[in-house]
Amino acid sequence: SQQGEEDPQALSIQEGENATMNCSYKTSINNLQWYRQNSGRGLVHLILIRSNEREKHSGRLRVTLDTSKKSSSLLITASRAADTASYFCATGGGGFKTIFGAGTRLFVKA
Amino acid sequence: DADVTQTPRNRITKTGKRIMLECSQTKGHDRMYWYRQDPGLGLRLIYYSFDVKDINKGEISDGYSVSRQAQAKFSLSLESAIPNQTALYFCATSDPPGQKNTGELFFGEGSRLTVL
Repeated sequence: SQQGEEDPQALSIQEGENATMNCSYKTSINNLQWYRQNSGRGLVHLILIRSNEREKHSGRLRVTLDTSKKSSSLLITASRAADTASYFCATGGGGFKTIFGAGTRLFVKA
Repeated sequence: DADVTQTPRNRITKTGKRIMLECSQTKGHDRMYWYRQDPGLGLRLIYYSFDVKDINKGEISDGYSVSRQAQAKFSLSLESAIPNQTALYFCATSDPPGQKNTGELFFGEGSRLTVL
Protein backbone atom coordinates (compact mmCIF):
# COMPACT_ATOMS: atom_id res chain seq x y z
CA SER A 1 0.00 0.00 0.00
CA GLN A 2 1.28 3.46 -0.81
CA GLN A 3 0.89 6.21 1.76
CA GLY A 4 2.64 8.92 -0.20
CA GLU A 5 1.96 9.83 -3.78
CA GLU A 6 4.42 12.02 -5.63
CA ASP A 7 3.51 14.53 -8.28
CA PRO A 8 4.54 14.87 -11.04
CA GLN A 9 5.54 11.36 -12.01
CA ALA A 10 8.25 12.79 -14.24
CA LEU A 11 9.87 16.21 -14.57
CA SER A 12 12.32 17.49 -17.16
CA ILE A 13 14.09 20.82 -16.65
CA GLN A 14 17.17 22.72 -17.79
CA GLU A 15 20.27 22.94 -15.66
CA GLY A 16 20.07 25.96 -13.39
CA GLU A 17 16.30 25.86 -13.03
CA ASN A 18 14.51 24.94 -9.85
CA ALA A 19 12.75 21.59 -9.52
CA THR A 20 9.71 21.13 -7.34
CA MET A 21 8.24 17.78 -6.43
CA ASN A 22 5.14 17.24 -4.36
CA CYS A 23 4.01 14.46 -2.09
CA SER A 24 0.54 13.85 -0.72
CA TYR A 25 -0.23 11.36 2.00
CA LYS A 26 -3.34 9.95 3.60
CA THR A 27 -2.93 9.48 7.34
CA SER A 28 -1.34 11.39 10.20
CA ILE A 29 2.42 11.32 10.34
CA ASN A 30 5.21 11.89 12.87
CA ASN A 31 7.67 12.77 10.16
CA LEU A 32 8.15 12.65 6.43
CA GLN A 33 11.37 11.73 4.70
CA TRP A 34 12.69 12.24 1.19
CA TYR A 35 15.02 9.79 -0.52
CA ARG A 36 16.89 9.94 -3.78
CA GLN A 37 17.68 7.07 -6.14
CA ASN A 38 20.13 7.30 -9.00
CA SER A 39 19.19 5.01 -11.86
CA GLY A 40 19.35 1.39 -10.77
CA ARG A 41 21.10 2.23 -7.51
CA GLY A 42 20.12 2.12 -3.86
CA LEU A 43 18.07 4.86 -2.23
CA VAL A 44 19.86 7.52 -0.25
CA HIS A 45 18.22 9.50 2.54
CA LEU A 46 18.09 13.24 1.81
CA ILE A 47 16.15 14.97 4.53
CA LEU A 48 13.56 14.44 7.25
CA ILE A 49 10.93 16.91 8.36
CA ARG A 50 8.99 16.38 11.56
CA SER A 51 5.28 16.96 11.86
CA ASN A 52 5.81 20.08 13.99
CA GLU A 53 8.09 21.67 11.38
CA ARG A 54 6.88 23.64 8.39
CA GLU A 55 10.09 24.08 6.45
CA LYS A 56 13.58 22.65 6.46
CA HIS A 57 16.70 23.36 4.43
CA SER A 58 19.73 21.31 3.55
CA GLY A 59 22.11 22.82 1.02
CA ARG A 60 20.13 23.29 -2.21
CA LEU A 61 17.19 21.34 -0.84
CA ARG A 62 14.15 22.92 0.73
CA VAL A 63 11.35 20.80 2.12
CA THR A 64 7.99 22.10 3.25
CA LEU A 65 5.27 20.29 5.12
CA ASP A 66 1.61 21.21 5.39
CA THR A 67 -0.04 18.77 7.77
CA SER A 68 -3.46 20.37 7.29
CA LYS A 69 -3.30 19.49 3.59
CA LYS A 70 -1.34 16.28 4.18
CA SER A 71 1.26 17.36 1.66
CA SER A 72 4.96 18.04 1.36
CA SER A 73 7.14 19.53 -1.33
CA LEU A 74 10.79 19.12 -2.16
CA LEU A 75 12.48 22.01 -3.94
CA ILE A 76 15.89 21.62 -5.51
CA THR A 77 17.33 25.02 -6.38
CA ALA A 78 19.79 25.69 -9.20
CA SER A 79 19.54 22.12 -10.41
CA ARG A 80 22.50 20.32 -11.95
CA ALA A 81 22.73 17.42 -14.36
CA ALA A 82 23.93 15.32 -11.43
CA ASP A 83 20.55 15.86 -9.74
CA THR A 84 18.99 13.59 -12.37
CA ALA A 85 17.43 10.80 -10.30
CA SER A 86 14.17 9.55 -8.85
CA TYR A 87 12.94 11.16 -5.66
CA PHE A 88 10.71 9.38 -3.17
CA CYS A 89 8.78 10.64 -0.21
CA ALA A 90 8.42 8.24 2.68
CA THR A 91 6.05 8.29 5.61
CA GLY A 92 5.21 5.88 8.40
CA GLY A 93 7.76 6.89 10.99
CA GLY A 94 10.87 5.13 9.79
CA GLY A 95 12.25 1.62 9.99
CA PHE A 96 9.91 -1.19 9.01
CA LYS A 97 6.97 1.20 9.08
CA THR A 98 8.36 3.27 6.22
CA ILE A 99 5.99 3.51 3.29
CA PHE A 100 7.34 4.80 0.01
CA GLY A 101 5.52 6.58 -2.75
CA ALA A 102 6.04 5.67 -6.41
CA GLY A 103 8.53 8.49 -6.91
CA THR A 104 9.15 11.43 -9.23
CA ARG A 105 11.67 10.96 -12.00
CA LEU A 106 13.69 14.14 -12.47
CA PHE A 107 15.74 14.71 -15.58
CA VAL A 108 18.03 17.75 -15.64
CA LYS A 109 19.30 18.65 -19.08
CA ALA A 110 22.79 20.09 -19.33
CA ASP B 1 33.71 -0.19 1.03
CA ALA B 2 29.91 0.05 1.02
CA ASP B 3 28.15 -0.09 4.38
CA VAL B 4 25.47 -2.41 2.98
CA THR B 5 26.65 -4.94 0.42
CA GLN B 6 24.44 -7.11 -1.74
CA THR B 7 25.40 -10.11 -3.83
CA PRO B 8 24.87 -10.89 -6.62
CA ARG B 9 24.22 -7.53 -8.26
CA ASN B 10 22.65 -9.16 -11.29
CA ARG B 11 21.18 -12.60 -11.76
CA ILE B 12 19.27 -14.26 -14.57
CA THR B 13 17.60 -17.53 -13.75
CA LYS B 14 14.85 -19.83 -14.97
CA THR B 15 11.41 -20.54 -13.62
CA GLY B 16 11.48 -23.07 -10.80
CA LYS B 17 15.07 -22.47 -9.76
CA ARG B 18 16.05 -21.64 -6.19
CA ILE B 19 17.75 -18.30 -5.78
CA MET B 20 19.46 -16.70 -2.78
CA LEU B 21 20.29 -13.04 -2.51
CA GLU B 22 22.73 -12.12 0.20
CA CYS B 23 23.21 -8.97 2.23
CA SER B 24 25.91 -7.99 4.67
CA GLN B 25 26.33 -4.75 6.59
CA THR B 26 28.97 -2.92 8.55
CA LYS B 27 26.61 -0.28 9.98
CA GLY B 28 26.24 -2.17 13.24
CA HIS B 29 22.45 -1.95 12.96
CA ASP B 30 20.24 -4.61 14.48
CA ARG B 31 17.41 -4.02 12.04
CA MET B 32 17.60 -5.34 8.50
CA TYR B 33 15.09 -5.35 5.66
CA TRP B 34 14.44 -6.75 2.21
CA TYR B 35 12.50 -4.66 -0.28
CA ARG B 36 11.35 -5.23 -3.80
CA GLN B 37 11.12 -2.45 -6.39
CA ASP B 38 8.98 -2.64 -9.49
CA PRO B 39 8.60 0.19 -12.00
CA GLY B 40 5.90 2.64 -10.93
CA LEU B 41 5.24 0.89 -7.63
CA GLY B 42 7.89 2.28 -5.35
CA LEU B 43 9.41 -0.08 -2.80
CA ARG B 44 7.51 -2.82 -1.04
CA LEU B 45 8.68 -4.57 2.11
CA ILE B 46 9.18 -8.33 1.85
CA TYR B 47 10.66 -9.26 5.24
CA TYR B 48 12.32 -7.49 8.12
CA SER B 49 14.36 -8.58 11.10
CA PHE B 50 14.93 -6.86 14.43
CA ASP B 51 17.70 -9.26 15.41
CA VAL B 52 18.90 -12.78 14.72
CA LYS B 53 15.93 -14.39 16.46
CA ASP B 54 13.23 -11.95 15.37
CA ILE B 55 12.03 -12.15 11.77
CA ASN B 56 8.79 -10.69 10.50
CA LYS B 57 6.80 -10.81 7.30
CA GLY B 58 6.29 -7.64 5.37
CA GLU B 59 3.68 -6.59 2.86
CA ILE B 60 4.59 -9.13 0.16
CA SER B 61 6.27 -12.16 1.78
CA ASP B 62 4.53 -14.91 -0.22
CA GLY B 63 7.04 -16.83 -2.35
CA TYR B 64 10.01 -15.61 -0.32
CA SER B 65 11.90 -16.74 2.76
CA VAL B 66 14.74 -15.18 4.73
CA SER B 67 17.53 -16.17 7.04
CA ARG B 68 19.35 -13.96 9.53
CA GLN B 69 22.63 -15.78 9.90
CA ALA B 70 24.25 -13.13 12.08
CA GLN B 71 23.67 -9.55 13.12
CA ALA B 72 25.43 -8.43 9.98
CA LYS B 73 23.96 -10.91 7.49
CA PHE B 74 20.45 -11.26 6.11
CA SER B 75 19.66 -13.38 3.07
CA LEU B 76 16.55 -13.58 0.91
CA SER B 77 15.56 -16.82 -0.85
CA LEU B 78 13.17 -17.57 -3.64
CA GLU B 79 12.49 -21.29 -3.28
CA SER B 80 11.01 -21.67 -6.75
CA ALA B 81 11.40 -18.53 -8.79
CA ILE B 82 8.62 -17.37 -11.10
CA PRO B 83 8.66 -14.66 -13.80
CA ASN B 84 6.64 -12.14 -11.78
CA GLN B 85 9.43 -12.12 -9.21
CA THR B 86 11.55 -10.33 -11.77
CA ALA B 87 12.42 -7.10 -9.98
CA LEU B 88 15.12 -5.04 -8.31
CA TYR B 89 15.69 -6.21 -4.73
CA PHE B 90 17.15 -4.04 -2.02
CA CYS B 91 18.53 -4.82 1.39
CA ALA B 92 18.43 -2.04 3.97
CA THR B 93 19.37 -1.45 7.59
CA SER B 94 18.34 1.01 10.25
CA ASP B 95 18.45 1.91 13.87
CA PRO B 96 15.10 1.66 15.64
CA PRO B 97 13.19 4.93 15.29
CA GLY B 98 13.06 6.93 18.47
CA GLN B 99 13.86 10.28 19.97
CA LYS B 100 17.46 10.22 18.81
CA ASN B 101 17.04 8.09 15.71
CA THR B 102 14.88 8.79 12.70
CA GLY B 103 14.65 5.21 11.53
CA GLU B 104 16.45 6.32 8.40
CA LEU B 105 17.02 3.41 6.04
CA PHE B 106 20.46 2.69 4.61
CA PHE B 107 20.25 0.78 1.35
CA GLY B 108 22.51 -1.55 -0.54
CA GLU B 109 23.08 -1.06 -4.25
CA GLY B 110 20.44 -3.58 -5.23
CA SER B 111 20.24 -7.02 -6.84
CA ARG B 112 18.57 -7.14 -10.22
CA LEU B 113 16.85 -10.49 -10.67
CA THR B 114 15.39 -11.70 -13.95
CA VAL B 115 13.34 -14.89 -13.98
CA LEU B 116 12.79 -16.34 -17.44
